[in-house]
Amino acid sequence: QIQLVQSGPELKKPGESLKISCKASGYTFTDYAMQWVKQAPGKGLQYMGWINTQTGKPTYADDFKERFVFSLETSASTAYLQINNLKNEDTATYFCARDTDWGQGVMVTVSS
Amino acid sequence: DIQMTQSPSLLSASVGDRVTINCKASQNINKYLNWYQQKLGEAPKLLIYNTNNLQTGIPSRFSGSGSGTDYTLTISSLQPEDFGTYFCFQHNSWPYTFGAGTKLELK
Repeated sequence: QIQLVQSGPELKKPGESLKISCKASGYTFTDYAMQWVKQAPGKGLQYMGWINTQTGKPTYADDFKERFVFSLETSASTAYLQINNLKNEDTATYFCARDTDWGQGVMVTVSS
Repeated sequence: DIQMTQSPSLLSASVGDRVTINCKASQNINKYLNWYQQKLGEAPKLLIYNTNNLQTGIPSRFSGSGSGTDYTLTISSLQPEDFGTYFCFQHNSWPYTFGAGTKLELK
């Protein structure tokens, strides 16, 4: 069955960086784009963008063009989300998602 | 950007009720509208894709309809496991956008 398994929770300080992983299984990784979605505590869903898993080309929504990087390790069927220069407002759960299936989410807490 | 306005934001209903949740787009989204259900602490689950296509494994009491700018999710007979938050999502025009959500709670 299709699975997207994400890395564990993160506690970071403002200004630090982090890299979240999303390992796919149960399908051909390069057949489907990978999307990223942010959910701040108690809030709705915010679409961050997606990465073409065949070409590695990322596409970012406007709010995520500056400090956010989508990348791939195709040989490991894994997608990554890197967030640089973390800010308090980055505190959220981050989901990777295929068209039909989602990872379990990674809770990121940014606090001094 | 296309704005997705969901209504109501909060819906109180009882088991067995028929409920509808609405989503209005700020411009035509050509039926590229998905519905997701999210329970507390879990990832969203795809229920309906492209307006009216039931995702595999989703009970037939869920249905979707609409066109142009107006879309509806209907649950024909509410079951205890249906309580949670529902989101619409348009993937017609970049940037893709979600509605703010409808929290469906037990009356």
